[in-house]
Amino acid sequence: AQSVTQLGSHVSVSEGALVLLRCNYSSSVPPYLFWYVQYPNQGLQLLLKYTSAATLVKGINGFEAEFKKSETSFHLTKPSAHMSDAAEYFCAVHSRGGNNRLAFGKGNQVVVIP
Amino acid sequence: NAGVTQTPKFQVLKTGQSMTLQCAQDMNHEYMSWYRQDPGMGLRLIHYSVGAGITDQGEVPNGYNVSRSTTEDFPLRLLSAAPSQTSVYFCASSQPTGPGNTIYFGEGSWLTVV
Repeated sequence: AQSVTQLGSHVSVSEGALVLLRCNYSSSVPPYLFWYVQYPNQGLQLLLKYTSAATLVKGINGFEAEFKKSETSFHLTKPSAHMSDAAEYFCAVHSRGGNNRLAFGKGNQVVVIP
Repeated sequence: NAGVTQTPKFQVLKTGQSMTLQCAQDMNHEYMSWYRQDPGMGLRLIHYSVGAGITDQGEVPNGYNVSRSTTEDFPLRLLSAAPSQTSVYFCASSQPTGPGNTIYFGEGSWLTVV
């Protein structure tokens, strides 16, 4: 079964600094990978997704993620953090040929320090 | 564009009471699912449906029932609420498996069982 691992439940980053959230996946077949963001008291919003086209995927709000098969990773980055990036971020995977069942990581709560 | 609509947004229940969380989507999606979100646990799949009349259990199905009589609606029933079911519940929908079909989430239902 597919799964994802996100380390570090809380991540603090200074305003203007690099945001790096790590995601490693486990899947028996080439996966589809997603990053979702959840702002306080809101639902989940898709940031970006990997579907086997380009390995570097650009998403909304200046975020991007790179799929590295050799490292089974799909880390999320943003060059310069804004206060508005404070939210919880979830990495998720589902396998090709499956039934769209998403397996989520435990999430990273990002705090942006002024 | 309604997308995925969940009601109610907030609910307080007493232990042993029953209730139904409603979920409706207007995108003609075949696949619908329910997740619960708990601190430090990410989102966990409760039940899912791949089409009208077809449902199956996810990762944490105990204490919940679902049915899918129409393509649009996928209600989640708590037959006898327990404090352990205090959580945030998300309904999601998507087309059947394709090249990383985006899964759309509702805005969540905050449930407290006292």
